[in-house]
Amino acid sequence: SSELTQDPAVSVALGQTVRITCQGDSLRSYSASWYQQKPGQAPILVIYGDNDRPSGIPDRFSGSNSGNTASLTITGAQAEDGADYYCHSRDNSGDRWVFGGGTKLTVL
Amino acid sequence: QVQLQESGPGLVKSSGTLSLTCAVSGDSMSSRWTWVRQPPGKGLEWIGEIYHSARTNYNPSLKSRVTISVDESRNHFSLKLDSVTAADTAVYYCARLSSFLEADYYYYALDVWGQGTTVTVS
Repeated sequence: SSELTQDPAVSVALGQTVRITCQGDSLRSYSASWYQQKPGQAPILVIYGDNDRPSGIPDRFSGSNSGNTASLTITGAQAEDGADYYCHSRDNSGDRWVFGGGTKLTVL
Repeated sequence: QVQLQESGPGLVKSSGTLSLTCAVSGDSMSSRWTWVRQPPGKGLEWIGEIYHSARTNYNPSLKSRVTISVDESRNHFSLKLDSVTAADTAVYYCARLSSFLEADYYYYALDVWGQGTTVTVS
């Protein structure tokens, strides 16, 4: 099992705000990054360093990290945001990396 | 613009060795390079990384079977996974782990990914 835990599925109404969480002890010491993956496509980076966006990622995507929980928030979810989202950080040893189990986001 | 492209056999016999290569364009091999896989219908799994051209870290669950190496002359890095079984059937991705310096702290993220290659073990 992953050292980072995510809810398997979350849904949000179009235009509303949704938060996807990632829990793990290593998050108390290390930042998380977040990836969006659509069917048949490679993941893309949407948040790094807990709350920074790469160029080209809409500002409706934001992140935070408090205690052992990192969060990805989408403010004003759009239909195209429906996808799988994965968190990524160091493992408890700090020497290796691990992904969360992923959250399937459905935009209703 | 950095681009990554995986290549290798799409079918590997059970108990054999899976060998994949990731061709890198637009960057040097001095960066930090990662392999990730995704079994059908499942989530992403970190396999391992190589940096400083020779230092490696591996997923403990795969460590006894996996080798990641870099060929600087060809600008590519490779994955070898020994003694494969059906459980190793997956889409295999290569990716670059980049560092971002902010306020005297380095953050890391997989900012460039290959398109992925499907490997079936039978």
